[in-house]
Amino acid sequence: DVKVTQSSRYLVKRTGEKVFLECVQDMDHENMFWYRQDPGLGLRLIYFSYDVKMKEKGDIPEGYSVSREKKERFSLILESASTNQTSMYLCASSQRTGGGYFGPGTRLTVT
Amino acid sequence: GENVEQHPSTLSVQEGDSAVIKCTYSDSASNYFPWYKQELGKRPQLIIDIRSNVGEKKDQRIAVTLNKTAKHFSLHITETQPEDSAVYFCAAFDSWGKLQFGAGTQVVVTP
Repeated sequence: DVKVTQSSRYLVKRTGEKVFLECVQDMDHENMFWYRQDPGLGLRLIYFSYDVKMKEKGDIPEGYSVSREKKERFSLILESASTNQTSMYLCASSQRTGGGYFGPGTRLTVT
Repeated sequence: GENVEQHPSTLSVQEGDSAVIKCTYSDSASNYFPWYKQELGKRPQLIIDIRSNVGEKKDQRIAVTLNKTAKHFSLHITETQPEDSAVYFCAAFDSWGKLQFGAGTQVVVTP
């Protein structure tokens, strides 16, 4: 059974703080993704990675960076958190050819 | 990049009736099309998928069809039940493994 875990379910940070969100998968998946989900806006891709140290921008990369030093771990970094980054963040992983399994999500509030 | 459009945004059906959700995609290189169900407060769950070399796939009360020429794919739910109420997302997986989602359809099944 695929397991994707995220470091926190809820997080409250102050404007300007550096924020790290971590995602770990245990299925040896090549691909990993970070999405944010806001009401009425669906699932928007922030970044994805198809291999260790490889990353590609998604639709809304501004204000975010990512790190993938190990195959099983994909981190999302908010360099300087802003209130418009308050959202639900969902990590997912997949095989190169398909699948796509989500973590439980991190609800981030920036005050 | 890939653009996935999904209709309708909301769908209200009587219990026992069928529900159909339609999606289109833009990148002809996309080769894998999963569908997700997201219940309130939960992560999206993969419920069915179809690859570009297949026209139709069925799993109990749900089925997915794909028209590669027209770049359309659809989700069909028959004999709907109250537990089918959720938000459904279509997605397209391009040749790089990038997974892009439609905006979602809120399905409400009324008894």
